[in-house]
Amino acid sequence: EAGVTQFPSHSVIEKGQTVTLRCDPISGHDNLYWYRRVMGKEIKFLLHFVKESKQDESGMPNNRFLAERTGGTYSTLKVQPAELEDSGVYFCASSRAGTTDTQYFGPGTRLTVL
Amino acid sequence: QKEVEQNSGPLSVPEGAIASLNCTYSDRGSQSFFWYRQYSGKSPELIMFIYSNGDKEDGRFTAQLNKASQYVSLLIRDSQPSDSATYLCAAGGNSGYSTLTFGKGTMLLVSP
Repeated sequence: EAGVTQFPSHSVIEKGQTVTLRCDPISGHDNLYWYRRVMGKEIKFLLHFVKESKQDESGMPNNRFLAERTGGTYSTLKVQPAELEDSGVYFCASSRAGTTDTQYFGPGTRLTVL
Repeated sequence: QKEVEQNSGPLSVPEGAIASLNCTYSDRGSQSFFWYRQYSGKSPELIMFIYSNGDKEDGRFTAQLNKASQYVSLLIRDSQPSDSATYLCAAGGNSGYSTLTFGKGTMLLVSP
């Protein structure tokens, strides 16, 4: 069974540019989560999809971040325009349907905004 | 504000010793607790989860949960150099779908 995959693995952009991160969850996993780790801080929740619906987006920092999960398969997270403080590692995780089922993490996308 | 606190370490133990990793959590509503291991530059990998008070053993790993004290621990017996990594403690919610609240992680160094 393939794990959670994320693309790209690294992205370096300039302030004001746009970046789109992609996550492919484990096949059959209805739940998809985005998390972010800023240097020196803990991993923090951004948002949660159940299939194609946003279940919880309370962790999204501001309206420069837009997440989508069309068709309930892969998800994208767009940052537009990027700011310096957006730098960090963005993790995607997925789990099967259910409440406290185990979340499996992808390798992350390291975003650097210059 | 939900918080999970961990000692950042590093925790240094010799090969073969028992490593004890601890965390505390602030939200009494948390019902599920997870230990992830993360090697540098890699994704967090689930080691164990625990939902009930007491101990849960899986091979060399034992997770302990004390909800009254809001305390979770992970014991690693017969530590190996390959166990050297950052260990992340995470707490999950008690209703609906569970997002995770993570601690900053404890770095474990196992010396040969």
